[in-house]
Amino acid sequence: NAGVMQNPRHLVRRRGQEARLRCSPMKGHSHVYWYRQLPEEGLKFMVYLQKENIIDESGMPKERFSAEFPKEGPSILRIQQVVRGDSAAYFCASSPSQPGTGELFFGEGSRLTVL
Amino acid sequence: AQTVTQSQPEMSVQEAETVTLSCTYDTSESDYYLFWYKQPPSRQMILVIRQEAYKQQNATENRFSVNFQKAAKSFSLKISDSQLGDAAMYFCAYRSAWGSGAGSYQLTFGKGTKLSVIP
Repeated sequence: NAGVMQNPRHLVRRRGQEARLRCSPMKGHSHVYWYRQLPEEGLKFMVYLQKENIIDESGMPKERFSAEFPKEGPSILRIQQVVRGDSAAYFCASSPSQPGTGELFFGEGSRLTVL
Repeated sequence: AQTVTQSQPEMSVQEAETVTLSCTYDTSESDYYLFWYKQPPSRQMILVIRQEAYKQQNATENRFSVNFQKAAKSFSLKISDSQLGDAAMYFCAYRSAWGSGAGSYQLTFGKGTKLSVIP
């Protein structure tokens, strides 16, 4: 049973370029969360999605960041016109139902480096 | 909003000894989950242990146990017989059982404690 799959694991972008991070939740999971981890920090919530719906984007920066979870395919976190401050590890997590066991299952993260 | 505080940025323990990591949280809710996650150098987030707030009995998982004090809003992690593989960042996390007004069940993390294990 495959876990949460994230790709790419490492992404390098120059300032002003776009970054796209993908997340495939565990089989049977329909809830996806994106978190950002800055160096030496804990994980910060960004957005919570269900299929075709954004449920809570209260942690998402208002500009340049967007997320989607289409009916088919992975969830995508998109960062437009990246800046050096966007350099971080981005984690995706999934769960099967709410509140379920309460646990979120995490992917291995995507590390974005902005030059 | 809920907050999670880990007051020990770094801890160290001798191999085979016991160490306790502290965590306090602030919430007005009565029903919630608490977690300890481990993040080794590979950066994978690994669930160590989970506690449901309505359960008075402290959770245990092999060498890992918690001391859950609901009234004090304290949730410490005890690692017994520490092993070299226990070296990692440890994050305490809170999750509402019923979600916020937006229906979100997001995890709120502390800033973490870096645990070193001395051979």
